[in-house]
Amino acid sequence: AQTVTQSQPEMSVQEAETVTLSCTYDTSESDYYLFWYKQPPSRQMILVIRQEAYKQQNATENRFSVNFQKAAKSFSLKISDSQLGDAAMYFCAYNTNAGKSTFGDGTTLTVKP
Amino acid sequence: DSGVTQTPKHLITATGQRVTLRCSPRSGDLSVYWYQQSLDQGLQFLIQYYNGEERAKGNILERFSAQQFPDLHSELNLSSLELGDSALYFCASSPNVGRPNTGELFFGEGSRLTVL
Repeated sequence: AQTVTQSQPEMSVQEAETVTLSCTYDTSESDYYLFWYKQPPSRQMILVIRQEAYKQQNATENRFSVNFQKAAKSFSLKISDSQLGDAAMYFCAYNTNAGKSTFGDGTTLTVKP
Repeated sequence: DSGVTQTPKHLITATGQRVTLRCSPRSGDLSVYWYQQSLDQGLQFLIQYYNGEERAKGNILERFSAQQFPDLHSELNLSSLELGDSALYFCASSPNVGRPNTGELFFGEGSRLTVL
């Protein structure tokens, strides 16, 4: 069975600084997708970034980038130039073509002004 | 707007009662997922349907049941409600028909259930 582990229940960062959220996963599949979702206080689940396992290039979306290490089964999220609006719970998630989806327990990010 | 619609947005009921939560997936999405999120907790996977059939089951209580109808909307039925069932219930949909399946789940805004 697939598992997703977020080892940091809470993280904090100073506004304008950079923070990295960790995620590791376990799977026997060779083809899958990885995601980071953001859940602000409104509780809406918002997709931050996605990575296809077959792509070696790390995904980037503006201030958000990932460090995808397939052999190590690691998928960390880097947030650059942190903003107050980045404060939220962040979930790492895994999905396969067959639709087996697994979420980590989440990391609560606090941004200090 | 994700395109996934959940109703009702808020629901308050008493212990022992039964409620039904409804989800309309994005147009064309065949898969529907249900998740439970208790206060300040992670997402607990309940159940997944694909094109009307149950595809995967997670930590869903026997008091809970779900189904996906021919028009692909889904309902989650919660019965004999207990205080601990108070939570935010999310529905998500996904195409799940292979490439160019992005694998992404599109979430509704959730149904907040309060059991008193």
